[in-house]
Amino acid sequence: DTAVSQTPKYLVTQMGNDKSIKCEQNLGHDTMYWYKQDSKKFLKIMFSYNNKELIINETVPNRFSPKSPDKAHLNLHINSLELGDSAVYFCASSQEWGGSTYNEQFFGPGTRLTVL
Amino acid sequence: QQPVQSPQAVILREGEDAVINCSSSKALYSVHWYRQKHGEAPVFLMILLKGGEQKGHEKISASFNEKKQQSSLYLTASQLSYSGTYFCGTAIFGNEKLTFGTGTRLTIIP
Repeated sequence: DTAVSQTPKYLVTQMGNDKSIKCEQNLGHDTMYWYKQDSKKFLKIMFSYNNKELIINETVPNRFSPKSPDKAHLNLHINSLELGDSAVYFCASSQEWGGSTYNEQFFGPGTRLTVL
Repeated sequence: QQPVQSPQAVILREGEDAVINCSSSKALYSVHWYRQKHGEAPVFLMILLKGGEQKGHEKISASFNEKKQQSSLYLTASQLSYSGTYFCGTAIFGNEKLTFGTGTRLTIIP
């Protein structure tokens, strides 16, 4: 059984397009995250939601908009895609807020976004 | 502030030992260690919360110094399956998010 799943796994698109990545977790966790991993493998947090409420909003262009319809889902919508958006985007979840600092995070398989 | 990991990369033969360090300029609330194999997601290894703590499983263990500003990951008698990039993730008091280190790429050769 997949704990954290993401779709699609690969996404190739043209500059200026709008795209979405979906994430679902079946672990019953309260907290979900979006991370961006660039070509140098730096893994950086973008957003975090706790029970559908936005908790962390790092310095991310407002072209990126997360949405959590329920605590098992966290989607990421990206408007007007740019070349620099090319990266692997990971969704993750953990058991409880605050617990992100003392509970493990479970990562999804990642979505490799390539902007041409 | 991003923690600093060292070394950036290391190549070992099977059976050799490795130490990966993670340093912060501020006292930490916790340190997490993750391993990421090529093309895969990071996978949790362990978390340390207390100064002076040492914990581990199988041949992989980690320590957290008394000042809670440095952690080290120890890989003993390395196996081929240990290859991957190791990340520490740190949390500081009053800021409940993980900031991941720069990563250490470990390659084990037969």
